[in-house]
Order: sequence, then structure tokens, then C-alpha cells
Amino acid sequence: EPEVTQTPSHQVTQMGQEVILRCVPISNHLYFYWYRQILGQKVEFLVSFYNNEISEKSEIFDDQFSVERPDGSNFTLKIRSTKLEDSAMYFCASRLGTEIYNEQFFGPGTRLTVL
Amino acid sequence: AQKITQTQPGMFVQEKEAVTLDCTYDTSDQSYGLFWYKQPSSGEMIFLIYQGSYDEQNATEGRYSLNFQKARKSANLVISASQLGDSAMYFCAIDNYGQNFVFGPGTRLSVLP
Repeated sequence: EPEVTQTPSHQVTQMGQEVILRCVPISNHLYFYWYRQILGQKVEFLVSFYNNEISEKSEIFDDQFSVERPDGSNFTLKIRSTKLEDSAMYFCASRLGTEIYNEQFFGPGTRLTVL
Repeated sequence: AQKITQTQPGMFVQEKEAVTLDCTYDTSDQSYGLFWYKQPSSGEMIFLIYQGSYDEQNATEGRYSLNFQKARKSANLVISASQLGDSAMYFCAIDNYGQNFVFGPGTRLSVLP
């Protein structure tokens, strides 16, 4: 069964450093997402991506965040200068289409720890 | 804006019994999808079940079923014959006009032997 993969599973970084979180969505899916879950809290939407551009972003997704799909398979989230409050689980998700019956398939997540 | 409310932060159920996890939603959209996801302690998000706003029948998937009451804007998840492996966080989500999912705060279910 096709699945969304994410690397690394756990990333530890120093405050102020740049991190890149990687995702490989399901191959025939067209819509890609990043979500964040601070420990013990709910899953929060960051950004959606379609046709090589951002289609929507939340207020959390400020100038220190960026996304790209560099090679047609990977989908990356970059945090330019990490802060302590960026420590969270980051989930990538993909979706075949935006019809209401299409579920989002989530990757296993990357746990980011900022020291 | 879409909103999901899950009023039960934690629930306990005896193994082999059924349990209902509550979810209410707020939307001005006429056509929407509601989803339930399970998050075990390992952290991954596992899709469980989907209910469309125009579906006349309540969704079922194995031991999972949805008690969908459109007029009350509720989509409660029913797990029958609970198993120890059902212990996890459960999130209700609504499709946000095809853009993203809006999640509720979750319910932590503990199944007791």
C-alpha cells in the first residue's frame, strides 16, 4: 500500500540553525500539506501546496518557513532560523484531490527538538 | 471558519465494551467531509473513517462507525468491542473548503483490561 514517508524521524538542532524536513508524498497525489503538533496539543495546519505553489498558509507559517518540491517527488519544509517554540512534531500529508471524500494520508512525522 | 470541538479530553473503557467519542463541528459550508484519525503513542496519524455531509447512511469501517447527526452538527465515533490496542489519541477533523483539515483537540482513550 502506498504511503507518505518522512525523514528524518527525529531532528535535534540548536536555536537559530536552519533545518529542512523532507517528505515523499504518495506518487499520484496532487495536494501536499504540512501540519505541526506541539507535544500534547492538537494538530495545526501550516501550509498547503499544489501545482508547485503555496495554495494556502496559516498565520503560523511566517517568513521563517518555506516549502518547495525540488524534484517532483520530495516535498520539503525549511525553517530558516529555528526558535525554541518550533519544537514539535511535523507531519507531512498528501491528498489525491480536494473532493470532500478524499482523506489526507499522513506521514509518520518528524520530531523536531530545538535546544 | 471551520471549527471542531471534542469535549472529552480523556475516556476510559473496559476491554470488549463499546465507547463513543464525541465530536461537534461548526461550518457554514453545505458540502463537507468529516474524518477521524487515531494517533497511538508512537505518534503517527492513522485514518479511521470518513463521513460526507450528503451521505444518508452513517459510515462504518469494521469496528468503527460514525453516529452522524447533521442537524446537531455532530459526528461521534463509536468503537465497538474495544481492544487494548485501541488506546490512543483520537482526532476529529473537518475538511476546510478543500484547502486543509481543521482538527479538534483530541480525546485520549484508555482501554482497561
